Amino acid sequence: NAGVMQNPRHLVRRRGQEARLRCSPMKGHSHVYWYRQLPEEGLKFMVYLQKENIIDESGMPKERFSAEFPKEGPSILRIQQVVRGDSAAYFCASSPGTVPTDTQYFGPGTRLTVL
Amino acid sequence: AQTVTQSQPEMSVQEAETVTLSCTYDTSENNYYLFWYKQPPSRQMILVIRQEAYKQQNATENRFSVNFQKAAKSFSLKISDSQLGDTAMYFCAFMKRTRGGSEKLVFGKGTKLTVNP
Repeated sequence: NAGVMQNPRHLVRRRGQEARLRCSPMKGHSHVYWYRQLPEEGLKFMVYLQKENIIDESGMPKERFSAEFPKEGPSILRIQQVVRGDSAAYFCASSPGTVPTDTQYFGPGTRLTVL
Repeated sequence: AQTVTQSQPEMSVQEAETVTLSCTYDTSENNYYLFWYKQPPSRQMILVIRQEAYKQQNATENRFSVNFQKAAKSFSLKISDSQLGDTAMYFCAFMKRTRGGSEKLVFGKGTKLTVNP
């Protein structure tokens, strides 16, 4: 029973390039969440998606960041024209989306470094 | 908006002893969940324990238990018989309960726990 998968685990980009982070939820889970963790900080919510729908993007910067969760395939968090301040660990979590078992299970994270 | 506060940035404990990590939160919601997650040096986020606010009984998972005081909005984690593998960052988190399914987690800043041999 595979857990939440994220790839790549480490990603290095130069300023101005694009970063694409992928997340495959646990089997049977239809809800995906993205969180960002800056050094020495807790995780901060970015976006919550269900298949083909963005439910809550209140934590995501309005510019350069986008997320999708297509009908087929993994969820993608895309950061365009990366800047040094985007360097962080990005975690994906999934849940079945059924009350009361809506505990979120996390992937191993993608560590983004912007040079 | 909900906030979660962990007032202890760092703590240490001797192996086999007991340690308690503090967490307080602020919310106007009546139905919600509270969680403790552990983040070891591998950086993987691991669920330790979960508590439903409508349950008066404190949750327990083996050596981990919570002291949930709803009126005081306090949710502390007790680790008994501490082991070296318990060394990690511990995050307290809040989630509003809704009919439609899940909600975002709101995290505290974490407590770095070191278990000494």
